[in-house]
Amino acid sequence: QKEVEQDPGPLSVPEGAIVSLNCTYSNSAFQYFMWYRQYSRKGPELLMYTYSSGNKEDGRFTAQVDKSSKYISLFIRDSQPSDSATYLCAMRPQGGSEKLVFGKGTKLTVNP
Amino acid sequence: KAGVTQTPRYLIKTRGQQVTLSCSPISGHRSVSWYQQTPGQGLQFLFEYFSETQRNKGNFPGRFSGRQFSNSRSEMNVSTLELGDSALYLCASSLQGAATGAFFGQGTRLTVV
Repeated sequence: QKEVEQDPGPLSVPEGAIVSLNCTYSNSAFQYFMWYRQYSRKGPELLMYTYSSGNKEDGRFTAQVDKSSKYISLFIRDSQPSDSATYLCAMRPQGGSEKLVFGKGTKLTVNP
Repeated sequence: KAGVTQTPRYLIKTRGQQVTLSCSPISGHRSVSWYQQTPGQGLQFLFEYFSETQRNKGNFPGRFSGRQFSNSRSEMNVSTLELGDSALYLCASSLQGAATGAFFGQGTRLTVV
């Protein structure tokens, strides 16, 4: 079993839709959870960073962490064509190392 | 504030050659990590450096090596290139101990022919 599982999609939605992206993980030591957005031929861009369980909101983006279920989500409200990208979840345990374990990414297309 | 800078952006090399990639982290960041990204495997951790010391190493052969300099800039080297080394190589910098996440450069796209 991979440490982090993420549905690769592709996911296609109409403009204005609410998008839900998810990852599951197996390592209960993970404490820090991140979502990255990656446009084609670019490096990943950090969208959301959360610690332990709970919700975090930033504009149209909401990140949720449920450690009891080992499940994290990213919600995008009022999706725009500019949100079309690959979304990657990443996580790491608490401690000195900054090493991240990534999901394989979900490719999202928002159609105008 | 300048972001993470990786050079070169693109490289084409022949099998058997070696290559060196460079990464300049965000000013003040002393932790630098390298990742290999391929369509099949996604992002895989190569190694992590902090204050010129390798703190962690991924499951890659010894042909992959790296180092970090006193100014936190980092280089990675791949010797005896194989076709399978073709990938996007990404560098990430972090502010150690701060809950701010890792910031990536644009990557170096290496093609081995």
